[in-house]
Amino acid sequence: QKEVEQDPGPLSVPEGAIVSLNCTYSNSAFQYFMWYRQYSRKGPELLMYTYSSGNKEDGRFTAQVDKSSKYISLFIRDSQPSDSATYLCAMSLGGKLIFGQGTELSVKP
Amino acid sequence: EAQVTQNPRYLITVTGKKLTVTCSQNMNHEYMSWYRQDPGLGLRQIYYSMNVEVTDKGDVPEGYKVSRKEKRNFPLILESPSPNQTSLYFCASRAGGTFQETQYFGPGTRLLVL
Repeated sequence: QKEVEQDPGPLSVPEGAIVSLNCTYSNSAFQYFMWYRQYSRKGPELLMYTYSSGNKEDGRFTAQVDKSSKYISLFIRDSQPSDSATYLCAMSLGGKLIFGQGTELSVKP
Repeated sequence: EAQVTQNPRYLITVTGKKLTVTCSQNMNHEYMSWYRQDPGLGLRQIYYSMNVEVTDKGDVPEGYKVSRKEKRNFPLILESPSPNQTSLYFCASRAGGTFQETQYFGPGTRLLVL
């Protein structure tokens, strides 16, 4: 069993839809929970990070962590075609960083 | 401009021929790391370094070596490359000791081992 599981998709939604991306994990010792966005042929870029259970909002993006269920989510409101990318969850343990497989998202105009 | 640079960007080599992929950052970051990205497997950490002369294994260190003699440079060495090391490689760096600091990724190095 992988330490971090993420549905690879692909996920296709119409512009303006609310997108929900999810990851589950097995190691309760993970400390930081992050979401990265990766455009085609580019390196990943950090979107959001959280440390504790609960919600964190940044513009159209909301990151949610539920440590009791070992489940994290990223919600994108009012999705735009420019949001089309691969979204990777990642979790840290000391200096190590474990990524999910990534979910490929396509937002259609 | 703050950036992480990698060289070469593309490399085709043959099994067993030693190669080095260089990584350099101009942000005076303490932490640097190498990842490989493969279809269906996502990004996997190879090695990381918390500071000069301090390196540690990530999830998939077998077949790779690293060194951190200077703060700005973190080369990835494949002593005897094999076809299963064909992959897209990313170097990254960040300031500070925790992942709440943004990690900056390089542009990637696409390696093909024949």
